[in-house]
Amino acid sequence: DGGITQSPKYLFRKEGQNVTLSCEQNLNHDAMYWYRQDPGQGLRLIYYSQIVNDFQKGDIAEGYSVSREKKESFPLTVTSAQKNPTAFYLCASRTPGLGHEQFFGPGTRLTVL
Amino acid sequence: SQQGEEDPQALSIQEGENATMNCSYKTSINNLQWYRQNSGRGLVHLILIRSNEREKHSGRLRVTLDTSKKSSSLLITASRAADTASYFCATDGKSGYSTLTFGKGTMLLVSP
Repeated sequence: DGGITQSPKYLFRKEGQNVTLSCEQNLNHDAMYWYRQDPGQGLRLIYYSQIVNDFQKGDIAEGYSVSREKKESFPLTVTSAQKNPTAFYLCASRTPGLGHEQFFGPGTRLTVL
Repeated sequence: SQQGEEDPQALSIQEGENATMNCSYKTSINNLQWYRQNSGRGLVHLILIRSNEREKHSGRLRVTLDTSKKSSSLLITASRAADTASYFCATDGKSGYSTLTFGKGTMLLVSP
């Protein structure tokens, strides 16, 4: 089956720890995205990548880092510099350019204890 | 920012009724998309309407776009309890490598 997988589904972290969220897709999409969603809020863009070995900051990149070493994978690291990391994180991918839908993973809920 | 804003924030209806959600945005767009999100899940694409289109249908969904007013509406006809979800509009800008900008969503509750 084609799609996007995110792991883990739930993640707990102690304050001061870095944590990495996984995102893998087998849709052969060049573009991949990370969003953060807080309760009652829309999606805010953290980072995106249009092609392997290249990525761009989104609206709320501070305290996050990414890598794009393979087309299929776009992991997100939430660093200790992120002041309020508890949120629902969504990964997405699509064909670059206009007029294409985005495909989303099931999300990872991160809770900082 | 060309972020879309949905209206209302929440909508509660009975099964069989129609549900209408509105979206407004700020800058010129290439297309506008609607997504659905069940609680605690990822978003699922519903429909895309291009800036040169005024109306589009897909099953029980009807989307309109008014670029002069920078607004769109999503109509779900004959709603079902399974339609209960949050609905988001997302705008695609004019540049070739733009990113989608999502609104805050409308939470729809359909009661049996």
